[in-house]
Amino acid sequence: TQLLEQSPQFLSIQEGENLTVYCNSSSVFSSLQWYRQEPGEGPVLLVTVVTGGEVKKLKRLTFQFGDARKDSSLHITAAQPGDTGLYLCAGERGAQKLVFGQGTRLTINP
Amino acid sequence: SAVISQKPSRDICQRGTSLTIQCQVDSQVTMMFWYRQQPGQSLTLIATANQGSEATYESGFVIDKFPISRPNLTFSTLTVSNMSPEDSSIYLCSVSRTVNTEAFFGQGTRLTVV
Repeated sequence: TQLLEQSPQFLSIQEGENLTVYCNSSSVFSSLQWYRQEPGEGPVLLVTVVTGGEVKKLKRLTFQFGDARKDSSLHITAAQPGDTGLYLCAGERGAQKLVFGQGTRLTINP
Repeated sequence: SAVISQKPSRDICQRGTSLTIQCQVDSQVTMMFWYRQQPGQSLTLIATANQGSEATYESGFVIDKFPISRPNLTFSTLTVSNMSPEDSSIYLCSVSRTVNTEAFFGQGTRLTVV
């Protein structure tokens, strides 16, 4: 069974601080995705990483895919209250089905 | 991307009753999925909705409890049958692009069973 372990599950920090969220597995994934979900909405895709060692930047967000394609990280620089939400990593487990990590509930305090 | 409309957005239902959730996509898609998100939890795949054939259910989910229809490539329904309070969750419809399996979600249906 392919599992994705996400950490931390909860994170509350002050505006302007940096943070990193981790997504780890013992399985190799062909790609990993990061989603953000806000209350009352479905998850929204932030990024897909495909190549081992790949780094993608989306404004203040930096995503990294591990060399062995088993883990990924999301780093946010100078966090803002608008970054508050549930962050989910997900990997394909065949037949276009996704397995999701447990999620990281991030709160940025003004 | 795809625009996915789900309804109802929320409902409060009596135990023992059934609720049908509708999912409409603005373009034809091959892969449609139904997920459950229990309070404070991540997403768990219920089933793959197959056009013109029976849905494919994940371990722990059965057709009698969660019947699914997929009459065409833009529409699907999920019914939550004989509801109990344990069924209180957010139910999400999703479609997937074939490239990198990127998923797009409806806004979800927040179901409360009392």
